[in-house]
Amino acid sequence: AQSVAQPEDQVNVAEGNPLTVKCTYSVSGNPYLFWYVQYPNRGLQFLLKYITGDNLVKGSYGFEAEFNKSQTSFHLKKPSALVSDSALYFCAVSTLNYGGSQGNLIFGKGTKLSVKP
Amino acid sequence: KAGVTQTPRYLIKTRGQQVTLSCSPISGHRSVSWYQQTPGQGLQFLFEYFSETQRNKGNFPGRFSGRQFSNSRSEMNVSTLELGDSALYLCASSSRDRGREGYTFGSGTRLTVV
Repeated sequence: AQSVAQPEDQVNVAEGNPLTVKCTYSVSGNPYLFWYVQYPNRGLQFLLKYITGDNLVKGSYGFEAEFNKSQTSFHLKKPSALVSDSALYFCAVSTLNYGGSQGNLIFGKGTKLSVKP
Repeated sequence: KAGVTQTPRYLIKTRGQQVTLSCSPISGHRSVSWYQQTPGQGLQFLFEYFSETQRNKGNFPGRFSGRQFSNSRSEMNVSTLELGDSALYLCASSSRDRGREGYTFGSGTRLTVV
């Protein structure tokens, strides 16, 4: 079965410091990778995606992610964290194959990012 | 361009009742997926529709059903509600089949079963 792992339930960062939220995946075929952010009692907001091309993807609000095929990783990064970045972050993967009972978009469990002033 | 609209935003129902949730996708999007989000299980896939056809179905009991109309609007129905059905139900739409271009999510419907 295809899967996405976010090994950290929570990441704590001081404002102004760089942040990294980790994501690894396991899929058959070429992956399409996404990061979403969720604020309390809201839906998921799209941050960025990797479909093909440059391994470094730039997204919304200063976030970027690096696709590493050999390590099957797609870590989310930001050079300088803001308190307003505090939220729940989800990594997701899609493939050209039908997801069956998993659906076409497979999510990790989510990582809670907490940025302290 | 309007986003994905889910109605209602909040709902309180009693065990045993049934509920219908609605989702209007972004104009032009023909793919609609539904997810259930709970603190314990995270995001779990319910079903996906494309051009009025159910493409995939998640591992949920038959009490959970859905449909898609010719205008791509979708509804999901849960019958005989249980306490464990309390969750945030998210709808997502995509312009392409299989979501290769990504999904846009609505704000969700918060269902509380008492």
